[in-house]
Amino acid sequence: AQTVTQSQPEMSVQEAETVTLSCTYDTSENNYYLFWYKQPPSRQMILVIRQEAYKQQNATENRFSVNFQKAAKSFSLKISDSQLGDTAMYFCAFKAQGGSEKLVFGKGTKLTVNP
Amino acid sequence: GAVVSQHPSRVICKSGTSVKIECRSLDFQATTMFWYRQFPKQSLMLMATSNEGSKATYEQGVEKDKFLINHASLTLSTLTVTSAHPEDSSFYICSARSGSFNTDTQYFGPGTRLTVL
Repeated sequence: AQTVTQSQPEMSVQEAETVTLSCTYDTSENNYYLFWYKQPPSRQMILVIRQEAYKQQNATENRFSVNFQKAAKSFSLKISDSQLGDTAMYFCAFKAQGGSEKLVFGKGTKLTVNP
Repeated sequence: GAVVSQHPSRVICKSGTSVKIECRSLDFQATTMFWYRQFPKQSLMLMATSNEGSKATYEQGVEKDKFLINHASLTLSTLTVTSAHPEDSSFYICSARSGSFNTDTQYFGPGTRLTVL
């Protein structure tokens, strides 16, 4: 069974600075997908970024980028130029390719961006 | 693109009554829809997976007779909480997966807060 671990329950960062949220996972699968979702106080889950495991290039979406280390089973999220609107819970999630449809979530990291 | 709506956003009901929550994919056809429950300050807990026209697959420990799921079309799934009790009070979130783009990705609705008095 796959597991996803987010070791930082809470983090804070000053506005305009950079912050990295960590995520590690455990799987015996070779092909899979990894995701970061953001859940602001409104509780709407928003897809931030997705990574296909067969792609070596790290995914980027504007100020959000990942450091995907497949051998180390690590998938960290870097937020550059942090904005107040980035304050949210961030969940790392894993999905195997094919087979189960399920997303396996980490427990989340609560990020606070301070003015 | 990939917008999912839920209705209602909040509902308060009396113990013993049934409540229906709708989940709609607004701009894509959802091959698969998922229902989650989220307790305060916790991650999402998958309740069931439904494919259009098929019976839902429930996770272990989820009572299928209590949480009725219907996925009657490619854009609509409903969750009915039957004979609701205060312990069913929670935040319920649906998600949908397209059959034609980013087929590995779930897009989430805004959630429904259920309070059972």
